[in-house]
Amino acid sequence: GENVEQHPSTLSVQEGDSAVIKCTYSDSASNYFPWYKQELGKRPQLIIDIRSNVGEKKDQRIAVTLNKTAKHFSLHITETQPEDSAVYFCAASIFGNEKLTFGTGTRLTIIP
Amino acid sequence: DTAVSQTPKYLVTQMGNDKSIKCEQNLGHDTMYWYKQDSKKFLKIMFSYNNKELIINETVPNRFSPKSPDKAHLNLHINSLELGDSAVYFCASSRGQGRQYFGAGTRLSVL
Repeated sequence: GENVEQHPSTLSVQEGDSAVIKCTYSDSASNYFPWYKQELGKRPQLIIDIRSNVGEKKDQRIAVTLNKTAKHFSLHITETQPEDSAVYFCAASIFGNEKLTFGTGTRLTIIP
Repeated sequence: DTAVSQTPKYLVTQMGNDKSIKCEQNLGHDTMYWYKQDSKKFLKIMFSYNNKELIINETVPNRFSPKSPDKAHLNLHINSLELGDSAVYFCASSRGQGRQYFGAGTRLSVL
């Protein structure tokens, strides 16, 4: 089955700087890669997603890049703000399969 | 209107009891899921139903039994609760292999 590794497990960034979280996946048949943000005590919320026919996607301060050859994808947050502090999860699913395999999460702390 | 709603929000119970968690979505999605998030925050799929049919059934003790009366509802019944069942259980829904939207979670504490 699919295996997703996520790094780093914790990340502290000065407000206004950029943050990058990286994930690798094992199954080359994976074609859907969402990112979720989970604030303390809240539900995971989808913030951006990408499919394997696209190399990069951007939504305001958030971007995701995908390297299919290397089987890794990354989340980039620019101009970080205190409200970006949360746990971020990457995930992957294989073509035609609804099952999402999640990474182990990255706790991002924005230092004011 | 909450898109994916689950009840109860908190559940505190004794070992050995049986409990149920309910989930409903009003997004018109055809696929619903149960996830377990443990104390280390790992999110793991347990079950998934597509149009009332079980399509994902991970390695979960058979004390856990999902039921989907229709494609807008997915319930989770847990028999003979154990300490290790303490976790947050999330329901989610999607349209096929699409974006999954999560409910607010049910925090289960087994004493």
